[in-house]
Amino acid sequence: DSGVTQTPKHLITATGQRVTLRCSPRSGDLSVYWYQQSLDQGLQFLIQYYNGEERAKGNILERFSAQQFPDLHSELNLSSLELGDSALYFCASSPRRQGAGELFFGEGSRLTVL
Amino acid sequence: AQSVTQLDSHVSVSEGTPVLLRCNYSSSYSPSLFWYVQHPNKGLQLLLKYTSAATLVKGINGFEAEFKKSETSFHLTKPSAHMSDAAEYFCVVTASGTYKYIFGTGTRLKVLA
Repeated sequence: DSGVTQTPKHLITATGQRVTLRCSPRSGDLSVYWYQQSLDQGLQFLIQYYNGEERAKGNILERFSAQQFPDLHSELNLSSLELGDSALYFCASSPRRQGAGELFFGEGSRLTVL
Repeated sequence: AQSVTQLDSHVSVSEGTPVLLRCNYSSSYSPSLFWYVQHPNKGLQLLLKYTSAATLVKGINGFEAEFKKSETSFHLTKPSAHMSDAAEYFCVVTASGTYKYIFGTGTRLKVLA
C-alpha cells in the first residue's frame, strides 16, 4: 500500500459528460502529480501541484483541469468527454517540490467513455 | 534535456532463469533513476532507485540494477524469475531541480512455466 488513495476506482460515463477524479496523497506529501495511461500513448504527465499551487503542466488538454486543496487532496476534472479520454488516470505524490525523489502512486481511476 | 529508452517492449523468460530488462537514459544533469513495476490493473510500485550513491542498487523481490555512467545504462536484473514477476516494468529518469519524471515506454515481462 503506497498510502496514496484514488477514487473512484472505476467510472463509466458517456461522451460529452464531466467527471471528477479525486486523489489523497500520502500523509505529509506536498506534491501531487497526475498521469494518464492509455494503450496507444503510454504514461503521459498531465499536471503537478505543490502545496496548493500549480507547478508544472504537461500534456493536459484544455478540457481538463485540476486543483489541490488546503488539506492537500487533489481533484482532476475532465469535461466534454470524448471516446479517446478513456484511460487509466494515476495520481502520485512526493514530499518534494521538484524531482530526484521517488513518486508514490495510487492504484488509479479507470475511466471508460461510451 | 532528459530521455529514457527501454530497449525491449516484450521479454519472455522461463521460470527460474535470469531476467534482464534494458534501459538507456540521457540527462543533462546528474540523474536519479528508478524502476517501477505495474501488475495488471494496479498502480506503479517502486522496485528500486539510484540517486548518486552506490552504483549497484538492490531493490525489492530480488531485483537489482547497475548504474553505468559510461554506457548511460540502468539495466534491471534478477537471477531467477518467478511467475509472480510477470508484469510491466518502467524505467524512469529525473533530476534534482526539475519537476519532470520521464517514463520509458515499458517492458512487458512474461514468465513461462
